[in-house]
Amino acid sequence: DIVMTQAPLSVSVTPGESASISCRSSKSLLHSNGITYVYWYLQKPGKSPQLLIYRMSNLASGVPDRFSGSGSETDFTLKISRVEAEDVGIYYCGQLLENLMYTFGAGTKLELK
Amino acid sequence: QVTLKESGPGILQPSQTLSLTCSFSGFSLSTSGICVSWIRQPSGKGLEWLATICWEDSKGYNPSLKNRLTISKDTSNNQAFLKITSVDTADTAIYYCARSPFGVPDYWGQGVMVTVSS
Repeated sequence: DIVMTQAPLSVSVTPGESASISCRSSKSLLHSNGITYVYWYLQKPGKSPQLLIYRMSNLASGVPDRFSGSGSETDFTLKISRVEAEDVGIYYCGQLLENLMYTFGAGTKLELK
Repeated sequence: QVTLKESGPGILQPSQTLSLTCSFSGFSLSTSGICVSWIRQPSGKGLEWLATICWEDSKGYNPSLKNRLTISKDTSNNQAFLKITSVDTADTAIYYCARSPFGVPDYWGQGVMVTVSS
């Protein structure tokens, strides 16, 4: 099984500043087709998760361009520029390298200072 | 507009079988590439993917739970189902269904709380 490890467990950010959340996979998520199958979600307090980033660096529909994803074959970063109050919640990374075998990271909690 | 809504028994006893229904609109499970996944979240904990079913009836299961899970669909009525056998208190969680194009959850339902208690 592919394990997704997130760091840090929590991050505290001043509004208007940027934040970075890391995720590491136990196996390369770069497929032979050139696509890296890593995803990012945000679960706001009391809400269902929402997709932010798909295939490592593509912004999901309706997601502000303050969010961006990057990475290599096993190390991935979600960056939030100009953090706002609405960005508070738990961020999860996920992977789907192997067909219909999805796994999530444990989550990183973002709070405001 | 894509919407999904989960329904379940609310409370059940250990060793019983949990049956969940996902009713959705705004997409069809007969469309190529479309799948529906089930994911759960114990209170205060992270997300755990359980199972996925796709338009051509392919299925994937979490290996740690595979022997207890059965996913199915009713394409005509826009529903997907999940059964979990021999539940115990560790199965207490919010259960979500999500539209999952090519297996990736994008739109999620509001979730349904399931409590296993004697």
